[in-house]
Amino acid sequence: AQRVTQPEKLLSVFKGAPVELKCNYSYSGSPELFWYVQYSRQRLQLLLRHISRESIKGFTADLNKGETSFHLKKPFAQEEDSAMYYCALSIGSGNTGKLIFGQGTTLQVKP
Amino acid sequence: NAGVMQNPRHLVRRRGQEARLRCSPMKGHSHVYWYRQLPEEGLKFMVYLQKENIIDESGMPKERFSAEFPKEGPSILRIQQVVRGDSAAYFCASSPGPSGTGLYGYTFGSGTRLTVV
Repeated sequence: AQRVTQPEKLLSVFKGAPVELKCNYSYSGSPELFWYVQYSRQRLQLLLRHISRESIKGFTADLNKGETSFHLKKPFAQEEDSAMYYCALSIGSGNTGKLIFGQGTTLQVKP
Repeated sequence: NAGVMQNPRHLVRRRGQEARLRCSPMKGHSHVYWYRQLPEEGLKFMVYLQKENIIDESGMPKERFSAEFPKEGPSILRIQQVVRGDSAAYFCASSPGPSGTGLYGYTFGSGTRLTVV
């Protein structure tokens, strides 16, 4: 069965510390993975997608098919990074665009 | 471009009443997705629609829930005879094309928080 697991409900770090938000997936096909972020009182928005291999706001995520992981990393956390982060897996034949979301991790960056 | 508009933002219904949630996609977007977020859980896919067509409703409960995306007007998620377990945040997203390729990505609305009392 397709599944996305974010094991940490809350991750609390100090400003300037490295951040790693974990995401593991279960999917027999070729995965397409995304990270979405929701800042306080704002709507959910796309942060990055694995096919783009981009870095957004200092965040990167590498797809590791061997470990079935797509962890989100940032070397130096900023207070403005505090938000809810969701890892998502795109599935569906014919690219219907259905996403499987993890339960989310709240990142709290303390001053 | 106002983005994806959902209304109402908050909706309170008594058990047994009907709830209608509306979603206007971004201009130029013809693909709409509805997700539900129960307390303490992640977003769960409900239904994917294009104009006048339901493409994938595999996440919709079999009874009381229906969705439409007419030729004109917003997409509507309708819940009949609501129960307490329907209390959740309902999110709509739109895209110019099917997002499975990752080329387009979704644009989400702010959600409708339904409370059943």
